[in-house]
Amino acid sequence: GENVEQHPSTLSVQEGDSAVIKCTYSDSASNYFPWYKQELGKRPQLIIDIRSNVGEKKDQRIAVTLNKTAKHFSLHITETQPEDSAVYFCAARTSGGYNKLIFGAGTRLAVHP
Amino acid sequence: DARVTQTPRDKVTEMGQEVTMRCQPILGHNTVFWYRQTMMQGLELLAYFRNRAPLDDSGMPKDRFSAEMPDATLATLKIQPSEPRDSAVYFCASGLLAGGRNEQFFGPGTRLTVL
Repeated sequence: GENVEQHPSTLSVQEGDSAVIKCTYSDSASNYFPWYKQELGKRPQLIIDIRSNVGEKKDQRIAVTLNKTAKHFSLHITETQPEDSAVYFCAARTSGGYNKLIFGAGTRLAVHP
Repeated sequence: DARVTQTPRDKVTEMGQEVTMRCQPILGHNTVFWYRQTMMQGLELLAYFRNRAPLDDSGMPKDRFSAEMPDATLATLKIQPSEPRDSAVYFCASGLLAGGRNEQFFGPGTRLTVL
């Protein structure tokens, strides 16, 4: 079945450094890739997404890149701040028009002051 | 701004009891999802509705779980009988499937503890 693998499972960086989280997906027909941020005890919230007709998208300190050939996409956070500490989930929308998202297992990011 | 709401926010119950969780999707959204989140399994899709019709409940244990949408403003997830292994946070999410938009907006979750 469809699968999304996410690495690393935990990531620790110093404030101001960059953080990169990588995901690979199995369904070559997937065409939508969102990233969610979940703070402790809170709901997952969409922070950025990318569609398969775009290779890169940027929003302030956050960027996402997509390599359709290799079936992988990445989240890049620059100039990290302590408030970036959270669990980040990638996801891929399955084909078939059902709008079903398959989530990665999550990356726990810790940004140390 | 519009948000998905869920009740109850916390539920503690004893094994064997029935549990019902409720979700109010964002007005105008035509898709509703139920997810279960545990430390071990991440975000697991349990059921998915589009225009109130169930489309995919392959992730849901059929013997004890059931999901319904009695109307466009209410989705329910029921567990009967509940077991300790059902302890998790259950999230409802809604989205508008139209014109290529795919965002799913999550509710605050129901934290279920089955003793």
